[in-house]
Amino acid sequence: AQKVTQAQTEISVVEKEDVTLDCVYETRDTTYYLFWYKQPPSGELVFLIRRNSFDEQNEISGRYSWNFQKSTSSFNFTITASQVVDSAVYFCALSEAQTGNQFYFGTGTSLTVIP
Amino acid sequence: DAGVIQSPRHEVTEMGQEVTLRCKPISGHDYLFWYRQTMMRGLELLIYFNNNVPIDDSGMPEDRFSAKMPNASFSTLKIQPSEPRDSAVYFCASSLLGGGRNEQYFGPGTRLTVT
Repeated sequence: AQKVTQAQTEISVVEKEDVTLDCVYETRDTTYYLFWYKQPPSGELVFLIRRNSFDEQNEISGRYSWNFQKSTSSFNFTITASQVVDSAVYFCALSEAQTGNQFYFGTGTSLTVIP
Repeated sequence: DAGVIQSPRHEVTEMGQEVTLRCKPISGHDYLFWYRQTMMRGLELLIYFNNNVPIDDSGMPEDRFSAKMPNASFSTLKIQPSEPRDSAVYFCASSLLGGGRNEQYFGPGTRLTVT
């Protein structure tokens, strides 16, 4: 079974629009960690954020914000006032304390921001 | 600080040849991971090391694949003999702690093409 589901395969928005990327995870572990990574066209994977299962506070970093809701097993990512430089593939990932260092990556959401 | 360094960035080789990919993790990081990314299978963990010791190689696809970490600042992933289906982007990543308590930092990747 897929531990991390990113149902949106591709999203296109016009510049300055807000966009939310969905991430739903599945785990039985009570201690786990969630991550978002960005993969721009150049190919490298860039770390964006890490959240542990005991901290449900939403986080904001500039135009980026993350909404962690344990009740729905979701860790969604919102980009406000999108820019062309936000065009990339975004991956959500899960790591469980019990399984150690295995990172379970979603299949990614390809975001295209149209100027 | 230098990030994870991988070489070469691109490798084109003929089927049957030996291929060696190299990685230098971030200094002080105790964990090193090798991933493979393809369109069909997404990001797959191949093997990871803790303090230079291979901990889990269950993701290594076949005996043709081998990985070593002779010291804290260097790791290799070798494919011998290579096959066209090995064509992919291979990422190396490192983290300070394990179990998801720290994010993994990825190198720029090696794009391998086997003809």
